[in-house]
Amino acid sequence: DAGVTQSPTHLIKTRGQQVTLRCSPKSGHDTVSWYQQALGQGPQFIFQYYEEEERQRGNFPDRFSGHQFPNYSSELNVNALLLGDSALYLCASSFMTGVFNQPQHFGDGTRLSIL
Amino acid sequence: KNQVEQSPQSLIILEGKNCTLQCNYTVSPFSNLRWYKQDTGRGPVSLTIMTFSENTKSNGRYTATLDADTKQSSLHITASQLSDSASYICVVSDTNAGKSTFGDGTTLTVKP
Repeated sequence: DAGVTQSPTHLIKTRGQQVTLRCSPKSGHDTVSWYQQALGQGPQFIFQYYEEEERQRGNFPDRFSGHQFPNYSSELNVNALLLGDSALYLCASSFMTGVFNQPQHFGDGTRLSIL
Repeated sequence: KNQVEQSPQSLIILEGKNCTLQCNYTVSPFSNLRWYKQDTGRGPVSLTIMTFSENTKSNGRYTATLDADTKQSSLHITASQLSDSASYICVVSDTNAGKSTFGDGTTLTVKP
């Protein structure tokens, strides 16, 4: 049973460019959340997708956008990259049961470096 | 503003020793609290999850406690192993659509 998979594992971009990160949720999960984790800090919530719609959003600018596909996989897009966008981007999946103690399963992340 | 504070920021212990990590939160209304282990270069892995009515929960050598009155949690690691070296993150969720607040983690180093 495959867990959460993310691609690519590493990515190097320059300021001003655009990037797309991809996530496939754990089998049976229908909800995907994206997080940004700077070095030495905890993950910061970007947004969550369920039924192909953005359901919740953290304190991130509109340069960060996403999409969820009918097969529950998801993409995170970041436009006009800044040096401060360098971080580990984590994807987590869960099953939206309405019971909020459902644990989230994380992928191993995409390490994004901005030069 | 919901906040989760973890202490200590980092900790070094000898293999075989026990340790306790702390988590204080101001998240309200409280739904659940989770502890995650994050190995270097990997994603976080869930260790325990506790709701309001649960005081303690164990997962092998890991035991988490929760005091909902004082809004404190601890993670106790027994008989530490080298593989316990990692960052331990406390996450508290509220009942407002299940929004989660992450702590910055405690970095544990277990030395032989």
